[in-house]
Amino acid sequence: ELKVEQNPLFLSMQEGKNYTIYCNYSTTSDRLYWYRQDPGKSLESLFVLLSNGAVKQEGRLMASLDTKARLSTLHITAAVHDLSATYFCAVDQRWGGTASKLTFGTGTRLQVTL
Amino acid sequence: EPEVTQTPSHQVTQMGQEVILRCVPISNHLYFYWYRQILGQKVEFLVSFYNNEISEKSEIFDDQFSVERPDGSNFTLKIRSTKLEDSAMYFCASSEQVPPYEQYFGPGTRLTVT
Repeated sequence: ELKVEQNPLFLSMQEGKNYTIYCNYSTTSDRLYWYRQDPGKSLESLFVLLSNGAVKQEGRLMASLDTKARLSTLHITAAVHDLSATYFCAVDQRWGGTASKLTFGTGTRLQVTL
Repeated sequence: EPEVTQTPSHQVTQMGQEVILRCVPISNHLYFYWYRQILGQKVEFLVSFYNNEISEKSEIFDDQFSVERPDGSNFTLKIRSTKLEDSAMYFCASSEQVPPYEQYFGPGTRLTVT
């Protein structure tokens, strides 16, 4: 059974600082997603990582995927308060001509303080 | 931009009652999904649906749950006899049949069982 773990579970950081959230998963997969969730809201897609070595950047967030290490990272550069949210990684176990199945990580609640 | 819609946004029901949660997937998508999120926890896969039949279901999706595509636009999740532990946010998602097969999530229905 696929297990997806994130750390840290909770992260309090000051504005302007950098930090990395880690997502480890237990079985082979080439597809990983990062989502943002604000309290009481739905899941907003941030990044789709489709191959080993994939790196994507949007604003202050950068995501990467190392399929050999079964590790993805979400790096936050110069955090701002607006980034406060819960971040989930999700691994897709099936794709390509069949319905996919996302297994979500435990989530990292990010709080950016002034 | 096309989006997944869900109704109602909040449903309160008594234990033992049947509920139907409704979703309208993005119109050209062919794969449909239900996920749930118990408050403060991670998102969990319930079921995937393609070509008018279930592709895969999790162990959460027992005989009390069923899904249906009653017409060309709606996708429903029925819980036959609700339990207190069914209280959660339920998200519908849909994806295309072509790469990158990304899932797009609806805003969710908060189900409260009393």
